[in-house]
Amino acid sequence: DGGITQSPKYLFRKEGQNVTLSCEQNLNHDAMYWYRQDPGQGLRLIYYSQIVNDFQKGDIAEGYSVSREKKESFPLTVTSAQKNPTAFYLCASSILSGLGYTFGSGTRLTVV
Amino acid sequence: QKEVEQNSGPLSVPEGAIASLNCTYSDRGSQSFFWYRQYSGKSPELIMFIYSNGDKEDGRFTAQLNKASQYVSLLIRDSQPSDSATYLCAVIEGGTSYGKLTFGQGTILTVHP
Repeated sequence: DGGITQSPKYLFRKEGQNVTLSCEQNLNHDAMYWYRQDPGQGLRLIYYSQIVNDFQKGDIAEGYSVSREKKESFPLTVTSAQKNPTAFYLCASSILSGLGYTFGSGTRLTVV
Repeated sequence: QKEVEQNSGPLSVPEGAIASLNCTYSDRGSQSFFWYRQYSGKSPELIMFIYSNGDKEDGRFTAQLNKASQYVSLLIRDSQPSDSATYLCAVIEGGTSYGKLTFGQGTILTVHP
């Protein structure tokens, strides 16, 4: 079955540590996105990518980094520069028009 | 800053009633409009999309779009307790040639028996 897979489901980060969230899709979608969701809030865009080896900052990119070396994969690194990383992180993919927007099941990151 | 605004609620309706969820957007050039349902702790799932002015119906759901008023709404008829969730409005803003969605903060809907 086609879909988008995020891992891990839960992640704990120590102060000063970088962590990487995985996102893989087998839908043959060109575009991929990372969103952050805080309790009681909507989704805020961190980074997005339309094509391999290219990506753009979203509204809240500071403290995050991404790569797009393969069409299927769009990992997100939460760096130590992100001072308040505790949140629910959602990866999504779509065809370029925005139709067929599909979300992964999310990663819940907690700072310990 | 382009914005998508929703009343965060909570909106409480009795089972069998019509639930009406509203969303306004600031970018007059916005082209495509989506409604997502999100259960607690889960990822959003698409329930409706609409591009043209007017109404679009799918089962118990009706999306309504009024571009002149920059307003999009979602009606849920015969509301069920299983409809209790957060409903997110999302917009593809004008000038984008790809599917970067801007989300509202979501409206919490509670359907009580």
